[in-house]
Amino acid sequence: AQSVTQLGSHVSVSEGALVLLRCNYSSSVPPYLFWYVQYPNQGLQLLLKYTSAATLVKGINGFEAEFKKSETSFHLTKPSAHMSDAAEYFCAVKNQAGTALIFGKGTTLSVSS
Amino acid sequence: DAGVIQSPRHEVTEMGQEVTLRCKPISGHDYLFWYRQTMMRGLELLIYFNNNVPIDDSGMPEDRFSAKMPNASFSTLKIQPSEPRDSAVYFCATRGRGKGTGELFFGEGSRLTVL
Repeated sequence: AQSVTQLGSHVSVSEGALVLLRCNYSSSVPPYLFWYVQYPNQGLQLLLKYTSAATLVKGINGFEAEFKKSETSFHLTKPSAHMSDAAEYFCAVKNQAGTALIFGKGTTLSVSS
Repeated sequence: DAGVIQSPRHEVTEMGQEVTLRCKPISGHDYLFWYRQTMMRGLELLIYFNNNVPIDDSGMPEDRFSAKMPNASFSTLKIQPSEPRDSAVYFCATRGRGKGTGELFFGEGSRLTVL
């Protein structure tokens, strides 16, 4: 069965520091992977997605993620954090039927000045 | 495009009352999903529809929960009777035609509090 595990429910960084949010997946078929962001009192918004093309995927707001099959990982990074990046981030994988998304528990990113 | 529209945004009710949450999908999207978000369980898929037909309702927690999609423009999630443990944010999400992209578009959610 498909699943994702997000390591660390809360990550704190300083403004300008590297952001690294970890996601490991389990999939019985080649995975389709996603990162979503949720700002307070809002719905989820797509940051980026991996669909078996390039292993390094660039998304919005300067975020990118690298698919590593050998490590079953899809970690999200941003070189320099901004205060506006403070939000909750969700990693997701398509289910086996290819019809729905299964989400991780989320990681809350805090950015301090 | 107006995006996925959910109502109400906030609902406070008492235990035992019926709750109806509503969703208007993005026009042309043929998949509609209901998710529930809680601190303990994160985002759980409750049910999803394809072309107004329920495909998988295995995530619906109990018979107290029901969902309908009478037409391509409207879906409801009903809880009857409601209980305090149903307190959560309920999200509706939709997806475009075919399985190719997989991207879901989310509404802003309905925050339910059952006292």
